[in-house]
Amino acid sequence: ETGVTQSPTHLIKTRGQQVTLRCSSQSGHNTVSWYQQALGQGPQFIFQYYREEENGRGNFPPRFSGLQFPNYSSELNVNALELDDSALYLCASSLGAGIMNTEAFFGQGTRLTVV
Amino acid sequence: TQLLEQSPQFLSIQEGENLTVYCNSSSVFSSLQWYRQEPGEGPVLLVTVVTGGEVKKLKRLTFQFGDARKDSSLHITAAQPGDTGLYLCAGGNTGGFKTIFGAGTRLFVKA
Repeated sequence: ETGVTQSPTHLIKTRGQQVTLRCSSQSGHNTVSWYQQALGQGPQFIFQYYREEENGRGNFPPRFSGLQFPNYSSELNVNALELDDSALYLCASSLGAGIMNTEAFFGQGTRLTVV
Repeated sequence: TQLLEQSPQFLSIQEGENLTVYCNSSSVFSSLQWYRQEPGEGPVLLVTVVTGGEVKKLKRLTFQFGDARKDSSLHITAAQPGDTGLYLCAGGNTGGFKTIFGAGTRLFVKA
């Protein structure tokens, strides 16, 4: 149990729809990083939020967007869903930017299936 | 573009055997982490190595960071069924926000 909670755990959406995924960070952590993990692959960095500001972004299109709230929980929004967006979406909570600089704790993930 | 390649992709062994998995890159990383991920769960951090040539031990697991900080290995002694999972290496750079993950080695230890 890492103290990082993601919701929902599973989700099925239709191509073209929009989805919002949520992450509650571990108490005391001010940084949330989001990753996409396709089947059989390692996690791919989407973006990171540090103290409510986007702190960095990976190679994902603008239809992937996010928010971080004053309590440091976070949302990942994906617009115009495509079949290739089907994946496990992970959030990682840490104290300080960059999960390599301090221990990060991952949630259990949200399994998104786009049909 | 920094990439991490892990080998082998899959490994199925008997309980009690030893094994080594590898994580290689053409790029230098300031630090490297190893994670284990079980089905339906997020990755769990096993170790962080930051110094070239560094060796860390965690019970039956031995981690080594290459001298040039471009590669790493994970050695498991006397594997147990509880070691079954996906082993991921991840590299990053000081002050950086982006972490690069390898595709992982899927280990299955048979009783």
